[in-house]
Amino acid sequence: EVVMTQSPATLSVSPGERATLSCRTSQSVSSNLAWYQQKPGRAPRLLIYGASTRATGIPARFSGDGSGTDFTLTINSLQSEDFAVYYCQQYNSWPPYTFGQGTKVEIK
Amino acid sequence: QVQLVESEGGVVQPGRSLRLSCAASGFTFSNYGIHWVRQAPGKGLEWVAVISSDGSHKHYADSVRGRFTISRDNSKNTLSLQMNSLRAEDTAVYYCARDPRGDGYNYADYWGQGALVAVSS
Repeated sequence: EVVMTQSPATLSVSPGERATLSCRTSQSVSSNLAWYQQKPGRAPRLLIYGASTRATGIPARFSGDGSGTDFTLTINSLQSEDFAVYYCQQYNSWPPYTFGQGTKVEIK
Repeated sequence: QVQLVESEGGVVQPGRSLRLSCAASGFTFSNYGIHWVRQAPGKGLEWVAVISSDGSHKHYADSVRGRFTISRDNSKNTLSLQMNSLRAEDTAVYYCARDPRGDGYNYADYWGQGALVAVSS
């Protein structure tokens, strides 16, 4: 099973600033990595797939990078609606498809 | 627009069974794999099962294999999850989520709103 490690657990950022989230996998997943955003009481929403491709309707301030075992999600100029929990997921080696434990982006 | 709507969950005693369903609309259901993903209260996401577009391939997480069964009826655009021998640790919100391809070997691009299943005596 591919183990996913996200860091930090919580990120405190001021509106308008940049947030950089990390996801590391226990073995290479090539570029088969997705990022999701989840707000309280809501279903997850796909942000990024293929490590760097934005999903339909996702603003350009969200960007993904990386391949192999190290990945980043960058959110430029944070908006109020961006404060949420973010999860990475690998779909290279399955089953199971595995998720990271999440990074909470909170208002500083 | 793509919509996935789970049936209501419920409270069930340990050892009992519950069947969840997911109604799909806004896309050609028979062309897509579908996942079940769950989230225990206050916890992260856990993948549960996936079924391919034609139902010929199914995969399960170790935690539910042998107890849960995923199935689909493409004539009715519905997905089901039969959950038997339920345990307290199965308590979670269960989401159905569409795979962007028919084989089901990918991420999830659209999600339902979730159904809460609580296993308690």
